[in-house]
Amino acid sequence: NAGVTQTPKFQVLKTGQSMTLQCAQDMNHEYMSWYRQDPGMGLRLIHYSVGAGITDQGEVPNGYNVSRSTTEDFPLRLLSAAPSQTSVYFCASSPYGGFSSGNTIYFGEGSWLTVV
Amino acid sequence: GENVEQHPSTLSVQEGDSAVIKCTYSDSASNYFPWYKQELGKRPQLIIDIRSNVGEKKDQRIAVTLNKTAKHFSLHITETQPEDSAVYFCLGDTGGFKTIFGAGTRLFVKA
Repeated sequence: NAGVTQTPKFQVLKTGQSMTLQCAQDMNHEYMSWYRQDPGMGLRLIHYSVGAGITDQGEVPNGYNVSRSTTEDFPLRLLSAAPSQTSVYFCASSPYGGFSSGNTIYFGEGSWLTVV
Repeated sequence: GENVEQHPSTLSVQEGDSAVIKCTYSDSASNYFPWYKQELGKRPQLIIDIRSNVGEKKDQRIAVTLNKTAKHFSLHITETQPEDSAVYFCLGDTGGFKTIFGAGTRLFVKA
């Protein structure tokens, strides 16, 4: 199994540009989520999904959109990039029931995004 | 909703010493308490967890203890080694699907 795969690993955007961070998992996990981690900071939840067709907002959803058309994929779209969105983005997945059922959260390797 | 406070934010120890990181939670209904480790430039990974019906769990040099009365759980690392240097996160159990991470503790192990 590849686990959770994120692309791209590094990206530089200009202010106002849009882009999509791709995330795919091959573990048949129902729960998927996106986090951002600013330098020296913790992980903040952006959006999450408990299954195909279902998404919800996390702590810091503004400026981001998600969709979940399949169990495997959970892309994150930046609508109009701003310097404040410079961060490392982690996609994660977990078996049905999510974190509170005691399931391990599996993270992707991260995507380093710089907005200039 | 659930809130977690993690302390200290930075911890520096000499190689071979012990390190203790504490997380305090607010929801008395919480029943799952994991710790994640994130090495520099890497992804977070689960290192140990505990359920509310257990007071302590050990895995070689790491252990997690739970005090339900005081609503806190702690990560203990004994005989620290340079490879233990990392950021450690606890997670709060929101009872739902939103994950709330602690702010993280940066552990430095000096050789």
